[in-house]
Amino acid sequence: DAKTTQPPSMDCAEGRAANLPCNHSTISGNEYVYWYRQIHSQGPQYIIHGLKNNETNEMASLIITEDRKSSTLILPHATLRDTAVYYCIVRVTGYSTLTFGKGTMLLVSP
Amino acid sequence: DAGITQSPRHKVTETGTPVTLRCHQTENHRYMYWYRQDPGHGLRLIHYSYGVKDTDKGEVSDGYSVSRSKTEDFLLTLESATSSQTSVYFCAISRDPNQPQHFGDGTRLSIL
Repeated sequence: DAKTTQPPSMDCAEGRAANLPCNHSTISGNEYVYWYRQIHSQGPQYIIHGLKNNETNEMASLIITEDRKSSTLILPHATLRDTAVYYCIVRVTGYSTLTFGKGTMLLVSP
Repeated sequence: DAGITQSPRHKVTETGTPVTLRCHQTENHRYMYWYRQDPGHGLRLIHYSYGVKDTDKGEVSDGYSVSRSKTEDFLLTLESATSSQTSVYFCAISRDPNQPQHFGDGTRLSIL
C-alpha cells in the first residue's frame, strides 16, 4: 500500500469548514483513498472513500487531485463533536487490511 | 452505526491465563477482522475471517487464535496471555473486501 503523509495536528473554529490534507504521491492506479476518524476511546469510524472522482456523502466531501497524488477531506461545518484523529489510508480494494498511520488530530474550538 | 458488539469492554487478567474476546454483529456481513491498537503502532491486523470456519492470519497473529462458527460471532483467543498483549482490541466487519470496514467500540485488555 502507498504511504500517506498528514499534518500531525490542525485547528478549526466551530461552524467553519475543516480541510484536512493528505499526500499520497506513490499511489497506484488500483488504490483507493479512504478516510476514517477516531474519537477518543471509540473505534475508528468510516467517513468516505474514492478512487479518482470527488465524492460527497452526509458526513464529508473528498477532493482528489487529478494526478491522484494528494487529497483533501472537507468537513463543511465543523462541530465540537468532530474533534478526533483523522486517518487517510490508501488501499487496494480486495485487500484485507487497513494500514492506519499517525493521522491528523483535528481540534474544533468554540 | 453498524451493529457490532464487543465483549467484554474491559478486562484485567494475569499473565498465563487464557482470554477470549467476542465480537458479535447483526449485519450479516461475511468479513470480520480483529485489530489491536497500541501507542506508536496504530492499528494492526491480527486475524480476519472471510466466512464461517474460514480464517486467515494478519500482520501480528503470533499468540492469538480465532474461531468463527457462526456468521455473527468472531472470537479472539489468547491461549496464554502475556504482558505484551496488553492493548485495545477492535473488531471490524465488512460486507466484502471491496467495501469499507466498520469498527466496534473496542475491548481494553490489561495483562498484569
